[in-house]
Order: sequence, then C-alpha cells, then structure tokens
Amino acid sequence: GENVEQHPSTLSVQEGDSAVIKCTYSDSASNYFPWYKQELGKRPQLIIDIRSNVGEKKDQRIAVTLNKTAKHFSLHITETQPEDSAVYFCAATQRGAQKLVFGQGTRLTINP
Amino acid sequence: GAVVSQHPSWVICKSGTSVKIECRSLDFQATTMFWYRQFPKQSLMLMATSNEGSKATYEQGVEKDKFLINHASLTLSTLTVTSAHPEDSSFYICSARKGNTGELFFGEGSRLTVL
Repeated sequence: GENVEQHPSTLSVQEGDSAVIKCTYSDSASNYFPWYKQELGKRPQLIIDIRSNVGEKKDQRIAVTLNKTAKHFSLHITETQPEDSAVYFCAATQRGAQKLVFGQGTRLTINP
Repeated sequence: GAVVSQHPSWVICKSGTSVKIECRSLDFQATTMFWYRQFPKQSLMLMATSNEGSKATYEQGVEKDKFLINHASLTLSTLTVTSAHPEDSSFYICSARKGNTGELFFGEGSRLTVL
C-alpha cells in the first residue's frame, strides 16, 4: 500500500520568510496529492491540492510542486504570516480510490 | 465547500462504557465516509472506511468488535467505541468524499476522554 513520508516534523521561520515542506510517496499509481492545514483542536482544512498531470500549482502565497519521477511533492508558503502557524499534512491517493494516506505532519511556527 | 458535521465535539466517559459518535454530511450524499484517529501531536490514522448499506472495511490492527461502524444512510455514519478504556482516549475525526473529485471534507472531530 501507499506510504507517505513528510519532512521536517517541525519548522520555525521568521515572519515574511518562506517555508517549504516536503513529502515522498511510494505508490507510483497515486495521482492526487492534497495538503491540509490543521490548527490545534480543529479539523484539517484543505489548502491546496495537485493532480499528477500537473507539475506545479499556485494559489496566492501557497504553491505545490510535484515530481512524479522522483515521487515527491512539496508545499511552498511565501511571505509567511503568524496565522500560517499550524500543523500541515500532506497526503496521497489514487483518484477515486478509497483511502487517503497522510504524512506525519509538520508543525510550522512563524516567529514575529 | 461541502459541510460535514460531527457530534459530540467532546465526551468524557467512565471506563467500560460505550460511546457513539455521529458523522453527517449536511449538503451532499456520501456513499463512503472515513474514520480517523489522531493522538496528540501525531498524524491522522485511518481506522476504517464506512460504506453505506454494507459492512465497514477496517484497517489492519483496528478491532472491528471494539469500534463499531454503521452507515445506515447516505448522510450518516456512526462510530461506537465499545467498552472504552483510557487508552481509547483520542481525537476521532470523520471525513466524507463529495463526488469523485478526490477532495475530502472533514468533520469537526470528537475528543474522547475515558476516565
């Protein structure tokens, strides 16, 4: 089955700087890669996703890149703000498949 | 986005009792819902896939007789933790997939504390 590895587990950056979180996946058949943001005690919220027919996707300060050959994808947050502080999870699945497999999570802290 | 509601948001119970958690898709029908468990500072671990009108599919290591799942309608799935013990204390989150887009919508989560 699919296995998703996420790094780093914790990340601290200065406000205004960029943050990058990386994930690798094992199943070459996976073709949908969402990223979730989870604040303490709350539900995960989808912030961006990418499908395997696309190499990069951007939404304002957030971007995701996908390298299918290497089986890794990354989340990029630019111009970080204090409200970006949260735990971020990557995930992978096959489109239409039942399971969504999550990475271990990255606790991002933005220092003012 | 779609709305998934979970109830109760938190519950405290005595060891040995059973607790039921409900997960509802409010504005769409979900033939499949998923139940996750999340321990503090850890990732979401899939427990089981709930299928409307049929038996749930449990992940390896999850006791189906302890975590009873019922998906009686296209908008409701329930998770019952039977004979709960302190080690069952956790954050339980359900999710549902709307259509075939792949995007999952999560409930608010239910924090279970077993004394």
